[in-house]
Amino acid sequence: DVKVTQSSRYLVKRTGEKVFLECVQDMDHENMFWYRQDPGLGLRLIYFSYDVKMKEKGDIPEGYSVSREKKERFSLILESASTNQTSMYLCASGGRMGQGIFEQFFGPGTRLTVL
Amino acid sequence: GENVEQHPSTLSVQEGDSAVIKCTYSDSASNYFPWYKQELGKRPQLIIDIRSNVGEKKDQRIAVTLNKTAKHFSLHITETQPEDSAVYFCAATPISNTGKLIFGQGTTLQVKP
Repeated sequence: DVKVTQSSRYLVKRTGEKVFLECVQDMDHENMFWYRQDPGLGLRLIYFSYDVKMKEKGDIPEGYSVSREKKERFSLILESASTNQTSMYLCASGGRMGQGIFEQFFGPGTRLTVL
Repeated sequence: GENVEQHPSTLSVQEGDSAVIKCTYSDSASNYFPWYKQELGKRPQLIIDIRSNVGEKKDQRIAVTLNKTAKHFSLHITETQPEDSAVYFCAATPISNTGKLIFGQGTTLQVKP
C-alpha cells in the first residue's frame, strides 16, 4: 500500500510567517506534487518535482517555493504567509505504471489558516 | 493550454438512481484518464481509470467510458448509495506526459436516502 504522509493535518500561522509543509512517500516514486484545493476551483498544481533537486512550476507558483533534497521528501515553503494562502494543501506522489502512464496517490492534506 | 472541463459541478440523486459525470479534455495525445473520489475531510482516492486504447471499463457499480474522437470521458455510478456522496474529480495526462495530471474542477455528488 502506498503511503503518503503530511507533517500536519491542521496549521494556524500569522501573516508574514515562514511556513513549511512537509510530505513524505514510501514508494520510491520519482514524481511528487503540491496542490492547493479551494471550493469551486478543484485541484490546482503549485509545484511538481520529477527527481531529487528538480522542480517545475505548476499553475499557481506565486508566493510558494519547494525543496526536494531526498527522493522521499518534498517540502512546500510559504516564504511570507498571507491570508489568501489559507487553503487545503494536498501532496501527491506518483510513479510510472508502464506504457507511459503515471499514477498519483494523495496525502491526507494540511488545512492551513493564515490569520 | 491543456484543459479538462467537468460537468456538472453539483449533482443530487435519489438513492438507487444512476449518476453520470462528464469530462472533456483538450489534448488529443492524452492517454490516461483516472477518476478520484474525495469523501468529506479525506484525501482524494483513485476509484477507476481508463487508458486511451480502451473504450469502457467497469468495476462493480462504477464504469468509465471514453470517446477519443469527441475527447470526452464519463463516470457512471449505478444503484447509488449514500456512501457514494463525495466530490469526484476527473483527470487527464497532458501532452508533456511527465507524470502530471490535469484535473477537472470536481463534482459534488449528493445521494439522498
